[in-house]
Amino acid sequence: KAGVTQTPRYLIKTRGQQVTLSCSPISGHRSVSWYQQTPGQGLQFLFEYFSETQRNKGNFPGRFSGRQFSNSRSEMNVSTLELGDSALYLCASSVTVNTEAFFGQGTRLTVV
Amino acid sequence: EDKVVQSPLSLVVHEGDTVTLNCSYEVTNFRSLLWYKQEKKAPTFLFMLTSSGIEKKSGRLSSILDKKELSSILNITATQTGDSAIYLCAVWREASDGLTFGKGTHLIIQP
Repeated sequence: KAGVTQTPRYLIKTRGQQVTLSCSPISGHRSVSWYQQTPGQGLQFLFEYFSETQRNKGNFPGRFSGRQFSNSRSEMNVSTLELGDSALYLCASSVTVNTEAFFGQGTRLTVV
Repeated sequence: EDKVVQSPLSLVVHEGDTVTLNCSYEVTNFRSLLWYKQEKKAPTFLFMLTSSGIEKKSGRLSSILDKKELSSILNITATQTGDSAIYLCAVWREASDGLTFGKGTHLIIQP
């Protein structure tokens, strides 16, 4: 059974640009959540989607957004990139909300 | 404010030793506690503990949830160098607002 797939694995962007990250959950999983991991703050919740609906959002500015498609694949978008957005972005999928969550390999975003 | 606290932050032991990692939580509407192992990138799922499943075991790893003390421990027996990693504890709340993570315990197993 394929795991959670995130693309791209690495990304370098310039301040002010925007970026879109993709996450394909485990087959049959309908819940996808996104996290930002930095050395200083650890893993922080960005948002969660279930059946194409955003169920909740963490304490991040409106520049961070996302969506989920009917096949449960999810994308997150960050606009007007700042240096502080440099981080590892992790996606987790679960069958439904509040169940065992499995993470993808992450996308390492570097903003220069 | 909800919080998950792990201790110790780092730990160095020798191969073959037994280690116990701690996680305490203060969250409203607790639902379940999860343990992950993170080596390079993706946190790897280890256990999920709930009111109906307060003890889990897999090989040399085991974990217990103490709902009265609002804490959990992760035990690793007969440690191996491959156990070296950051171990993360996270909590699901009833409200769907994602996992709340602790800062992790950095475990180093010396040969």
